[in-house]
Amino acid sequence: QTVVTQEPSFSVSPGGTVTLTCGLSSGSVSTSYYPSWFQQTPGQAPRTLIYTTDTRSSGVPDRFSGSILGNKAALTITGAQADDESDYYCVLYMGSGIWVFGGGTKLTVL
Amino acid sequence: EVQLLESGGGLVQPGGSLRLSCAASGFTFSTYAMSWVRQAPGKGLEWVSATSGSGGSSYYADSVRGRFTISRDNAKNTLCLQMNSLRVEDTAVYYCAKKSTAAGDTGSIDYWGQGTLVTVSS
Repeated sequence: QTVVTQEPSFSVSPGGTVTLTCGLSSGSVSTSYYPSWFQQTPGQAPRTLIYTTDTRSSGVPDRFSGSILGNKAALTITGAQADDESDYYCVLYMGSGIWVFGGGTKLTVL
Repeated sequence: EVQLLESGGGLVQPGGSLRLSCAASGFTFSTYAMSWVRQAPGKGLEWVSATSGSGGSSYYADSVRGRFTISRDNAKNTLCLQMNSLRVEDTAVYYCAKKSTAAGDTGSIDYWGQGTLVTVSS
């Protein structure tokens, strides 16, 4: 079974730029996987940041952007702020109506 | 404003059943596919099921196929998840989610509800 991979943790300095990635245990991510990105803080419901690779969800600041980098989907946060400290999840479409989430990345801003 | 309000969670014994509901408002419900996603305590997100805008197509994760059934009532703007033969490992917060298109398969999630907790324990 294909596993969706994410960095378990990442840190960024306030004002800095960070790129989180979403890959496959076997193969390359392309736009055909319709990658999406979600932000979740403890005790809260997830919030959609990006869907279909690079479409920003309503109300999401343009500091967040999505792309394909090499063989992975990527979420780039520019000008990191303290309240960006959250868990970030990606999800990929595997075909036949099936979606698989990555394990999530815990982002620390310090 | 899109609003999704889940209900129906609670404590159930292994082997039991539970029916979750999600009341939707703020958008034309029948025009969009819907999905259920769950999160076990302290764990990551897990996609569970999805249905197309018409309700004519449904999809399930391997972990719940044959035990869970997704359905929708477009006249009542309500999404449901019937959960049978529940297992301890089904314990999680269950989130109702709206997709960005009518397509139940490829549509991406754009809005989330606040979730309802299901606990399966003896």
